[in-house]
Amino acid sequence: GPKVLQIPSHQIIDMGQMVTLNCDPVSNHLYFYWYKQILGQQMEFLVNFYNGKVMEKSKLFKDQFSVERPDGSYFTLKIQPTALEDSAVYFCASAQGDYAEQFFGPGTRLTVL
Amino acid sequence: QQKVQQSPESLSVPEGGMASFNCTSSDRNFQYFWWYRQHSGEGPKALMSIFSDGDKKEGRFTAHLNKASLHVSLHIRDSQPSDSALYFCAASEPASSGSWQLIFGSGTQLTVMP
Repeated sequence: GPKVLQIPSHQIIDMGQMVTLNCDPVSNHLYFYWYKQILGQQMEFLVNFYNGKVMEKSKLFKDQFSVERPDGSYFTLKIQPTALEDSAVYFCASAQGDYAEQFFGPGTRLTVL
Repeated sequence: QQKVQQSPESLSVPEGGMASFNCTSSDRNFQYFWWYRQHSGEGPKALMSIFSDGDKKEGRFTAHLNKASLHVSLHIRDSQPSDSALYFCAASEPASSGSWQLIFGSGTQLTVMP
């Protein structure tokens, strides 16, 4: 089936540094999402993105977070600066339509020291 | 209070048995419900969606929705060890921007014992 790729699979950084998480969505999908999951708990919505713009963001999407998809390449989540509580697995998802099935990547495990 | 409450937290069934999961939502804005499965170290994968009252069957999986009580369930018959995973229900609701947002339940860890 359609696959979403995420790079890197694991990232360890020091608190205060910047990190960029990369997502390669399914090629014909138009809607993109980031979710945060801590220790196998529920998936929590961060942000969705369509047509070059953020459509909706949750309370978890702090001012230090930003998303973009420059030139139709990777869909990225940037955190600058990072904090200890940002340690989690971040999942990217993409979908053909806003209420269509979302396809998730394997996640990036972020560890902030 | 969580908008999507899922039970049980964990479940063990013997191989060939029936596994059942439940979700109750507290928001009548929810329009679509999804069941996702997540194997360890992987991202969630959609099993099925349901948006009409009643049952929806796909192979060994049957989802049931009761909109009046905001209750959705998933049943897996003839459970296999490969079904062992974390199962999430998720509900779609329209957000203030007009886009749709998926709200996930807390998950049920299923273990199928050979």
